[in-house]
Amino acid sequence: EDQVTQSPEALRLQEGESSSLNCSYTVSGLRGLFWYRQDPGKGPEFLFTLYSAGEEKEKERLKATLTKKESFLHITAPKPEDSATYLCAVQAGVTGGGNKLTFGTGTQLKVEL
Amino acid sequence: DSGVTQTPKHLITATGQRVTLRCSPRSGDLSVYWYQQSLDQGLQFLIQYYNGEERAKGNILERFSAQQFPDLHSELNLSSLELGDSALYFCASSEAPSGTTLHFGNGTRLTVT
Repeated sequence: EDQVTQSPEALRLQEGESSSLNCSYTVSGLRGLFWYRQDPGKGPEFLFTLYSAGEEKEKERLKATLTKKESFLHITAPKPEDSATYLCAVQAGVTGGGNKLTFGTGTQLKVEL
Repeated sequence: DSGVTQTPKHLITATGQRVTLRCSPRSGDLSVYWYQQSLDQGLQFLIQYYNGEERAKGNILERFSAQQFPDLHSELNLSSLELGDSALYFCASSEAPSGTTLHFGNGTRLTVT
């Protein structure tokens, strides 16, 4: 069974204090690893897709990296507006040609002034 | 705005009742997914449809059913509701049945009293 574990569960940073969020996974036949951001009362908002070990993607203050067993979301010089829950998910093939994303429980990030 | 529309935003009902949640996918997306998000379990995959046909099934209860109509909108029907069914229900859509990014709506918050 596919599993995704995110750590830490919660993280409090000062504005400008860089850090990393971790996503460890086990999956048979990884098709992609996804990072989403979720604000309270909203649906997950797509950030990145990573497909193979060694791949990196960047967007503003965020950078996602992937190895064969885990992914990191690096946050450089965060601002209060980066406060949100960050979700990691793995995509595996499903018999019948379907598509299943298995999510971790997320890291709740709070950035303070 | 992801382009995925879910109605209603909030629903309060009593145990034993039946409700229907509605989802309109992004323009051009043929696949629709339903997820349940509760406080203690994170996002759980329920079911996927592609162009009207079921493509993948997760841990969906027998009391729950879904369908995708010819105009591609989808409905999730929840019956014989229990207190434990209280959760956020998210719909997501994607272009293809597999290997593509899911875009989420803002969810329906179901409260069973």
